[in-house]
Parts: sequence; C-alpha cells; structure tokens
Amino acid sequence: QSALTQPASVSGSPGQSITISCTGTSSDIGTYNFVSWYQQHPGKAPKLMIYDVTNRPSGVSNRFSGSKSGNTASLTISGLQAEDEADYYCTSYTRSTTLVFGGGTKLTVL
Amino acid sequence: EVQLVESGGGLVQPGGSLRLSCAASGFTFSRFAMSWVRQAPGKGLEWVSGVSNSGGKTYYPDSVKGRFTISRDNSKNTLYLQMNSMIAEDTAVYYCAKDRDGLNAFDIWGLGTMVTVFS
Repeated sequence: QSALTQPASVSGSPGQSITISCTGTSSDIGTYNFVSWYQQHPGKAPKLMIYDVTNRPSGVSNRFSGSKSGNTASLTISGLQAEDEADYYCTSYTRSTTLVFGGGTKLTVL
Repeated sequence: EVQLVESGGGLVQPGGSLRLSCAASGFTFSRFAMSWVRQAPGKGLEWVSGVSNSGGKTYYPDSVKGRFTISRDNSKNTLYLQMNSMIAEDTAVYYCAKDRDGLNAFDIWGLGTMVTVFS
C-alpha cells in the first residue's frame, strides 16, 4: 500500500494551464477507474475536485479536468487563477480494498 | 446544511487509547459509506479506515490494522474511531469524510479534530 507518486511542486502564471501527475501501479490506478483529486488550502479541510478519473462534482469549475493513462492519472487546471494556489492530492481505490493517497503537490500561482 | 462535526481529539500518552466521534447532519447518514482520513502536521493526507453504510464491512490500511476500529450508529447519525495502542506517528488532524459512492471519493469533510500522542 505505497503512496501514489506526485511531484512535490508545480507552478504557473495566471491564465496558463498546468498538469499534476499521479503515478501508481497495476494494483490501483492501472486497474480501477476510481481516481479522485482534492484541493486543500492552508488550514482548511480538503475539497473534492474530480472523482472517477474525469467527473467534476457540482459547483467545481470546468477549468479542472482529470484523465488517466495506464498507471498514471493527471489533473489539469486551465486558465490558472490566484485562488487555485493550494495543495492537491490524488487518491485511488486499490486491489487490497483500501484507498491510497498521493504525497501531495503544492501549486504556486506566480 | 450538510455537515460533519468531529469531536474527541486531545492529548494521549503512547500506548493509550482515544475515541473520536463524528456527528452527521443534512443527509441520510445510513445510505452512505464513511471514512476517517488523517493528516500529520505539515504532511499529506492518509486514509485510515472506512465502513460500509450498514456498518457490516470495515476496511483499514496496514498502518492501523489491529489498533484502530471504525464503527457507526445509524440511529444516532454518528461515526466513531476507536484508537488503541497509540504511537507518536498517530499524531495528526483526523477528518471524518462522507463517501460519495462506496469506498471511492469523499464529497463532504468535517473540519477535523487534533490528536496528539506525547510522552
């Protein structure tokens, strides 16, 4: 049940697009379409941004999109805005009937 | 308003026990699986337990299996986490989270309760 692998940090300028990767194995991301992404601002609870790889909950901006290829899932944020600056975490269901999180990625909007 | 409110956090010595509670409101609690997720100071998120909507099935990662027990009382709309044999690495903010659809995605989170294991 090793953590999924995310880059420690990414950055972009307002209006640009960025992509955060999340790499797992054939025991999690590679087998199941149960990948979710969360946004967490400092001192706040996480917020669900993407579920089931590509789906956005009601109220989440369509600037956020998700995808998957093989053992790697990705979160893309287009038209970066200052309020997007936060930590982002991926998670996946696993073959062991558990959930595993990624280590988190700090997004800086320059 | 859909809401989750955790309680029961505090200070505990290594080897000690603590029970967390999570009061749910604003949705039909008995319809949804629930989980606990923790976050150590300055660290990332870690899922630590899940329970089916009926309470009949429970799930744990290896890091807490045998020490933590998740349970629920659907008549009281309350989720619990019993933590035993606690170690320093259990120090974290513990969040209660509503599963959107099975053990999958968490669409509602509480504000968290802080647990500190100290000697």
